[in-house]
Amino acid sequence: GALVYQYPRRTICKSGTSMRMECQAVGFQATSVAWYRQSPQKTFELIALSTVNSAIKYEQNFTQEKFPISHPNLSFSSMTVLNAYLEDRGLYLCGARGQNNQAPLFGEGTRLSVL
Amino acid sequence: DAKTTQPDSMESTEGETVHLPCSHATISGNEYIYWYRQVPLQGPEYVTHGLQQNTTNSMAFLAIASDRKSSTLILPHVSLRDAAVYHCILRASSSFSKLVFGQGTSLSVVP
Repeated sequence: GALVYQYPRRTICKSGTSMRMECQAVGFQATSVAWYRQSPQKTFELIALSTVNSAIKYEQNFTQEKFPISHPNLSFSSMTVLNAYLEDRGLYLCGARGQNNQAPLFGEGTRLSVL
Repeated sequence: DAKTTQPDSMESTEGETVHLPCSHATISGNEYIYWYRQVPLQGPEYVTHGLQQNTTNSMAFLAIASDRKSSTLILPHVSLRDAAVYHCILRASSSFSKLVFGQGTSLSVVP
């Protein structure tokens, strides 16, 4: 079956350092990938939407300079949190959608803690 | 993005049929109604979606009002494993459209 795998599941980084997280689509081709952050208060924020053969579109308050995203092929995407600080804590979720406008599938997320 | 309105929380008893309401009065003609659920420490899980007709699958029945301004996710015979936050989301049919999550309804299930 189709699923989305995120790695790592949990990570801790020191304030001011950077953390890279990965998203792998298994069993389908991820034509678009959306990255979200869920705060400790459970609020969802869409960071950016990446569609193959199109530019990555970042939402307001999120920039490529802070959250660079790579989507090199139809099965993989990665995002880095640069210069992480306390406000960057949360669960980072990857939602991938295949062809034929399927419902996006989500991974279990990467939980980022910042010390 | 069009908004949805859901109750913050609902409680049910194991074995009951639960009706989770969602209001989306400003829905556009090309917007689908998606339902996801999320349990703690995990990502959202797809439940179902529909456009105009009622839909059913192994997880739930989605009843969509004839004017499409509201919908109800019906969970038959809930178990403890159905306790989760249920999100009702509108998403356009465009390839570039996105899911915008709200707070959802926190469903608790007691034995």
